[in-house]
Amino acid sequence: QSVLTQPPSASGTPGQRVTISCSGSSSNIGSNTVNWYQQLPGTAPKLLIYSNNQRPSGVPDRFSGSKSGTSASLAISGLQSEDEADYYCAAWDDSLNGHWVFGGGTKLTVL
Amino acid sequence: EVQLVESGGGLVKPGGSLRLSCAASGFTFSSYSMNWVRQAPGKGLEWVSSISSSSSYIYYADSVKGRFTISRDNAKNSLYLQMNSLRAEDTAVYYCAREPTIAAAGKMVIRWFDPWGQGTLVTVSS
Repeated sequence: QSVLTQPPSASGTPGQRVTISCSGSSSNIGSNTVNWYQQLPGTAPKLLIYSNNQRPSGVPDRFSGSKSGTSASLAISGLQSEDEADYYCAAWDDSLNGHWVFGGGTKLTVL
Repeated sequence: EVQLVESGGGLVKPGGSLRLSCAASGFTFSSYSMNWVRQAPGKGLEWVSSISSSSSYIYYADSVKGRFTISRDNAKNSLYLQMNSLRAEDTAVYYCAREPTIAAAGKMVIRWFDPWGQGTLVTVSS
């Protein structure tokens, strides 16, 4: 059972917009920034969004993040076949002397 | 190019020990906190441990506390994870990840993992 809650799966057709939610609590998302990671099949995770809504250089602007209260969302617009991957949210948690927490991951399928 | 390369994974019996290494290059290693994150086969990501730039602050997940020890050698640009009393449930790919941080308004710290290494597989089985 992951501390951050994500839907296990999401899907969309090419060109569509999809969103992935991430729900936490006051000790993690509620008081710290949220990051999103993309893991393509058979590869290491890669930073997609940091500090709730910031894109690292090289990440297309089709990817966007937002946060409100104790929840966050990742939106992917103009869905492409190469976006098929697992997506994870993560945040620092201030409880228990501090630790990182991850969502369980969302497998995105491009139909 | 910023790069992290893990090594040291392999097959070990339950109750055994293993030491993972992560070699860093392309950045000032001594300026960054570092982390270990693992992923069991077919499962999601699980944070394992963090160590601050000067080793002053160390954190562990409850699942490994008392069995795993994180350390670093800034002179060698290397991060380590000593794993003792290994269990079947420790079987996973272990990734090292750099943790950039930015001090924000108030006491908030903005932090994230970037980049990640390619991972090293640890299999605990008899």
